[in-house]
Amino acid sequence: GENVEQHPSTLSVQEGDSAVIKCTYSDSASNYFPWYKQELGKRPQLIIDIRSNVGEKKDQRIAVTLNKTAKHFSLHITETQPEDSAVYFCAASSGYSTLTFGKGTMLLVSP
Amino acid sequence: NAGVTQTPKFRVLKTGQSMTLLCAQDMNHEYMYWYRQDPGMGLRLIHYSVGEGTTAKGEVPDGYNVSRLKKQNFLLGLESAAPSQTSVYFCASRTGYEQYFGPGTRLTVT
Repeated sequence: GENVEQHPSTLSVQEGDSAVIKCTYSDSASNYFPWYKQELGKRPQLIIDIRSNVGEKKDQRIAVTLNKTAKHFSLHITETQPEDSAVYFCAASSGYSTLTFGKGTMLLVSP
Repeated sequence: NAGVTQTPKFRVLKTGQSMTLLCAQDMNHEYMYWYRQDPGMGLRLIHYSVGEGTTAKGEVPDGYNVSRLKKQNFLLGLESAAPSQTSVYFCASRTGYEQYFGPGTRLTVT
């Protein structure tokens, strides 16, 4: 089955800096790669996703890049703000099958 | 729309007791999922359903059973709770690619 590795497990940045979280996956058939944000005590919420037919997708301060050859994808957050502090999860799936999640990255943005 | 709801929000069980967690969605989604979330482990899939009357095992199904008698409801049962089942349980439903999560149930087994 699919295996998703996520790094780093914790990331501390200063407000205004950029943050990058990286994930690798094992199943070459995977074609859908979402990123979820989970604030303390809350449910995971989708913040951005990418499908295998594109290499990059942006939404304001958030971007995701995908390298299918190397089987890795990354989340980029620019101009970080304290409200970006949360746990971020990457995931991968092939078609309409199940999602396999990474173990998460705790992002702390200090004012 | 209420989206995805879960009942109860919190529960404390003694070892060996049984209970059922209820997930309900009002979005007419075919696919529903049960995950458990433990510190440092991410979200791990317990069971899932691709439609009314169907269920399938996920990554960590042992000790759990599920039923999907109605399209809008997905039940997760613990027949004989163990301390290792202390966790936060999330239900999700899906349309297209995106999964929508419920608010979670925090379960403690003593």
